[in-house]
Amino acid sequence: SQQGEEDPQALSIQEGENATMNCSYKTSINNLQWYRQNSGRGLVHLILIRSNEREKHSGRLRVTLDTSKKSSSLLITASRAADTASYFCATANTGFQKLVFGTGTRLLVSP
Amino acid sequence: SQTIHQWPATLVQPVGSPLSLECTVEGTSNPNLYWYRQAAGRGLQLLFYSVGIGQISSEVPQNLSASRPQDRQFILSSKKLLLSDSGFYLCAWSPTKTDREPYEQYFGPGTRLTVT
Repeated sequence: SQQGEEDPQALSIQEGENATMNCSYKTSINNLQWYRQNSGRGLVHLILIRSNEREKHSGRLRVTLDTSKKSSSLLITASRAADTASYFCATANTGFQKLVFGTGTRLLVSP
Repeated sequence: SQTIHQWPATLVQPVGSPLSLECTVEGTSNPNLYWYRQAAGRGLQLLFYSVGIGQISSEVPQNLSASRPQDRQFILSSKKLLLSDSGFYLCAWSPTKTDREPYEQYFGPGTRLTVT
C-alpha cells in the first residue's frame, strides 16, 4: 500500500524559480526520505530526515518535516533544467528500512 | 564503491511464459535486498525483501516469487506471466546496520517488462 501522497502531481516552472513539493502520510514514522527518478531510470536518494528532526538541508535542497501534521515538504531552490524528474517521498515506520513510497511529483523545469 | 546491476534492461514476454529477472550487488556484504514494481506514472510497490541468503519476505500475494541464492544476488521469477505483471521492476539494496540508525536505499537501473 502507498502511504505517501505527493502534492502537486505535476509542477512546471522556469529555470531559476524555486520548486516546492509536499508529501503527506498516514501513520507514525521513524524517518522520511526523498528520492528522485529521471524518466525510465532507477531512483536516486536525495535526503533523509528523522522523525525527531524538523528541517534538513543538502545543497539546493531543503526538507521540512511536521510530524504533528504528518507532512513533509521538499524545496529545490534556483531550479535548473537538469532538475526535471519525478520526486518521491518514502516513509519507514521502524528501524528496518521497509520503505513505503508515495505517488510522486513530476517536475518540469523549462530553460 | 558499491554498484547494483539489473538485467535484462527490457523484456517483452507473452502471457503464460516464465520470467526471471536478476539483480546483483557489488562492493558490499550482507546487504538487505528489495524488489519493487512501478506501474506507469505511479509510485513504487514493494514486492519482496530479503535480509539474508534464503530469507525472503513477500509483501504482496501474486504469481511472482523471489529467491536469494547468494549473498549479493536477488532473483525475481514467475512460472506464468499475466498481463498485469507488466511494469518497471526495480531492485534496491541497503546496508545492514546493527545500530538501528536509518539508512537510504540504492536502486538499480530497472527492467522494463511488457507482457503481451
